[in-house]
Amino acid sequence: EAQVTQNPRYLITVTGKKLTVTCSQNMNHEYMSWYRQDPGLGLRQIYYSMNVEVTDKGDVPEGYKVSRKEKRNFPLILESPSPNQTSLYFCASSFRAGNQPQHFGDGTRLSIL
Amino acid sequence: GNSVTQMEGPVTLSEEAFLTINCTYTATGYPSLFWYVQYPGEGLQLLLKATKADDKGSNKGFEATYRKETTSFHLEKGSVQVSDSAVYFCALSDGTSGSARQLTFGSGTQLTVLP
Repeated sequence: EAQVTQNPRYLITVTGKKLTVTCSQNMNHEYMSWYRQDPGLGLRQIYYSMNVEVTDKGDVPEGYKVSRKEKRNFPLILESPSPNQTSLYFCASSFRAGNQPQHFGDGTRLSIL
Repeated sequence: GNSVTQMEGPVTLSEEAFLTINCTYTATGYPSLFWYVQYPGEGLQLLLKATKADDKGSNKGFEATYRKETTSFHLEKGSVQVSDSAVYFCALSDGTSGSARQLTFGSGTQLTVLP
């Protein structure tokens, strides 16, 4: 089954404690992306990756890091989380960049105390 | 830059009522337009899309027509069901070939359908 898998689904943690949210897709997609969803703001892109070892900033990259060492994986790293990063996070992928629909994971709800 | 404006919710309808969710956009070039749906506790799923002016996307009884003259992509359904209760997002994709930013989303519209 084609899918995008995120882990964990839920996490409550404290300010400053490094965390990683994993994302994996099994569709051999080149393009992967991270979004955060906040009430009234829709989804905003954090980082994206056009292919292995190619990543770039989206609209709200501050406080986040990503890596793309393998095609299937695109982890999101919060080196020193802060309360304003409390949000619902989605990973997505598509075959290529451009006018193609994206496949989304089920989301990760992060609470930073 | 690109932007998408959706009608604010929440929207509450009775079963079998007619649904319209308005969406207008601002974009350079020739964007593709999408509607995504998010059911409770799940990620977004593509509902329908249209890639050029006057195209009509349709799926599961939902329809939307790409209107370049009014820069709109309103979502409609003739008779909603309780199972349609979800959050609906309008989105556009930059028409530039190979555009990396891809999707710009509206703020989402919460739809609740009562039996």
